[in-house]
Amino acid sequence: NAGVMQNPRHLVRRRGQEARLRCSPMKGHSHVYWYRQLPEEGLKFMVYLQKENIIDESGMPKERFSAEFPKEGPSILRIQQVVRGDSAAYFCASSPRRADGEKLFFGSGTQLSVL
Amino acid sequence: SQQGEEDPQALSIQEGENATMNCSYKTSINNLQWYRQNSGRGLVHLILIRSNEREKHSGRLRVTLDTSKKSSSLLITASRAADTASYFCATDARATDSWGKLQFGAGTQVVVTP
Repeated sequence: NAGVMQNPRHLVRRRGQEARLRCSPMKGHSHVYWYRQLPEEGLKFMVYLQKENIIDESGMPKERFSAEFPKEGPSILRIQQVVRGDSAAYFCASSPRRADGEKLFFGSGTQLSVL
Repeated sequence: SQQGEEDPQALSIQEGENATMNCSYKTSINNLQWYRQNSGRGLVHLILIRSNEREKHSGRLRVTLDTSKKSSSLLITASRAADTASYFCATDARATDSWGKLQFGAGTQVVVTP
C-alpha cells in the first residue's frame, strides 16, 4: 500500500506563472488535507477536502489559490500568478475517515520555489 | 504566539541520552499529537494523546499531557543518531468541525551525535 504521493517533488516557477501541485492519497482514504510550511516554521492548515467537496478552506488565501479533489484522480492545489511569498513546502495528508483520534498520513511534500 | 509552541527550539545530545521537549497550547483540545520530520521529508505520526489521558508510552517515546497547564512533553529515551529530526506537536481544537485542521508549532530540532 503506497503512502501519500505528491508530485512534483520540486517545482520552480517564475513570478506570474501558475503552479499545480498534485496529491494522491493513500488507497482507501477519501479525506485530503493541504498544509503549507514556510522555512523554520510549523505547518499551517490550508484546506480540507473530501471526494468532490471542499469541507473547510479557512486556511486558504482568498485569491489565487484553489483546491479540488475530483471523483477520479488526485487532489490538485492550484496557485495562479505565483509571487515570491508563495515559495514554501506544500504538504498533503490523508485519512480514511473523519473521526476523533485519526492520525494523518503525510506525503513528502512539494517544494515550490518562485523566482 | 501560535497554538502549539515547542520548547526548546533546538536540542543537541549524544547517543544514549534522553531528549525532552515541551509543547504549550492555548485553546481547549480534543487530542494532541506529536510528529517527526526528517530533513526535506513529510511528517511521520509518532503518538496521539487524548485530552482525558495524562501519559502515554510507545516504545522509547513517553508523552505527558497536562490540560490544566495546557502543555505536553515528549521524552525520547536512549536516543539514537536516527532520532535526529524536527519534532512537532499538533493540536486538534475542541470543535466538531475541526478534525484534520491541526495546528502545529514551529518544532524542536533535535540533533543526536554518535
